[in-house]
Amino acid sequence: KNEVEQSPQNLTAQEGEFITINCSYSVGISALHWLQQHPGGGIVSLFMLSSGKKKHGRLIATINIQEKHSSLHITASHPRDSAVYICAVYLRSGGATNKLIFGTGTLLAVQP
Amino acid sequence: DAGVTQSPTHLIKTRGQHVTLRCSPISGHKSVSWYQQVLGQGPQFIFQYYEKEERGRGNFPDRFSARQFPNYSSELNVNALLLGDSALYLCASSWGGTSGAEQFFGPGTRLTVL
Repeated sequence: KNEVEQSPQNLTAQEGEFITINCSYSVGISALHWLQQHPGGGIVSLFMLSSGKKKHGRLIATINIQEKHSSLHITASHPRDSAVYICAVYLRSGGATNKLIFGTGTLLAVQP
Repeated sequence: DAGVTQSPTHLIKTRGQHVTLRCSPISGHKSVSWYQQVLGQGPQFIFQYYEKEERGRGNFPDRFSARQFPNYSSELNVNALLLGDSALYLCASSWGGTSGAEQFFGPGTRLTVL
């Protein structure tokens, strides 16, 4: 079982829909990253959070440390939001290393 | 300010060859981490260097090695290439080296082994 699980693996939405991507993890963490990756491209950081909620434009990220769960929401989705969204965590026991443990990603396609 | 840069962008090698990938961190960042992303999977941790010392190593064979230079840039070396080494190699930099120090990613190097 992966330490970081995402759902769904694939998601197709119509333009304008509200989208939720979920991330569950089984380890103690110091922080969690939501990342975006376009096909064949590098990785862009959307949010890094260790508690509560963050908002940037149409994107909202929440985390519940007790339940070991985080969600990424996209409001008023647009075709340009089509990408792979990846959840990654920093292990709390990592100590002297800040390696990230990644989920397998959610492939989002937003159709016009 | 320039972000994390990686070179080359794309690379094609044949089995058994050696490859060197390069990464320049964001100015002021002292830590560089390397990740391998095989098609359809999430990235896997290979190495972390901080202040020119290895801070962490993932579950990769000894064919993989890395180093960090005094200017904090880094090289990833892979010897005796296998077909399974074909992947996107990502470099990430951070100011600090401990857990939770936010990482910023480069565009990656796409390695194809024939």
